[in-house]
Amino acid sequence: AQSVTQLGSHVSVSEGALVLLRCNYSSSVPPYLFWYVQYPNQGLQLLLKYTTGATLVKGINGFEAEFKKSETSFHLTKPSAHMSDAAEYFCAVSDPYSTLTFGKGTMLLVSP
Amino acid sequence: EPEVTQTPSHQVTQMGQEVILRCVPISNHLYFYWYRQILGQKVEFLVSFYNNEISEKSEIFDDQFSVERPDGSNFTLKIRSTKLEDSAMYFCASRGTGTNTGELFFGEGSRLTVL
Repeated sequence: AQSVTQLGSHVSVSEGALVLLRCNYSSSVPPYLFWYVQYPNQGLQLLLKYTTGATLVKGINGFEAEFKKSETSFHLTKPSAHMSDAAEYFCAVSDPYSTLTFGKGTMLLVSP
Repeated sequence: EPEVTQTPSHQVTQMGQEVILRCVPISNHLYFYWYRQILGQKVEFLVSFYNNEISEKSEIFDDQFSVERPDGSNFTLKIRSTKLEDSAMYFCASRGTGTNTGELFFGEGSRLTVL
């Protein structure tokens, strides 16, 4: 069975600071990994995904994530936070044989 | 850009009542899903649907739940007799054909409040 662990239900940063949201996964087969973002009162929007190939993937709004197999991690980063980045971020895992499994989410708070 | 649409955006119902949540997936997609998110908790898989039948369901998806694709465009989730604990945001998602890279396209959700 797959699972996702997101460290920290809330992360607070100042505008312009580095954003780091942590995600570790468990999967018995090579995983597909995703980050979704949920803005207030909106649905889930795909930020980026890793399936195969380059382990550093770039997404929308300046976010990127690196797949590290040895660490079973897929942490999300952004060099400089904007106020508009305040949202809830979900890491998710799947594979060719199973459905998408989400982590519990991390709320990103950005202060001026 | 094609999108998944859901109605209603918010529904309030009394315990024991039947609720139908509606979804219009992206038009050329063939795989459909329902997920739910109880307030403050993670997004949980309920059911997947392909070729007019359930392909997978979680233990949450008990006999109180059913899904249907009544026509060529809608995909519905019915809760037969709602309980307080069914209060949640319900997300519909769809996936295209071809190589399965697992990416799902989600609607904006239907918030269900059971009183």
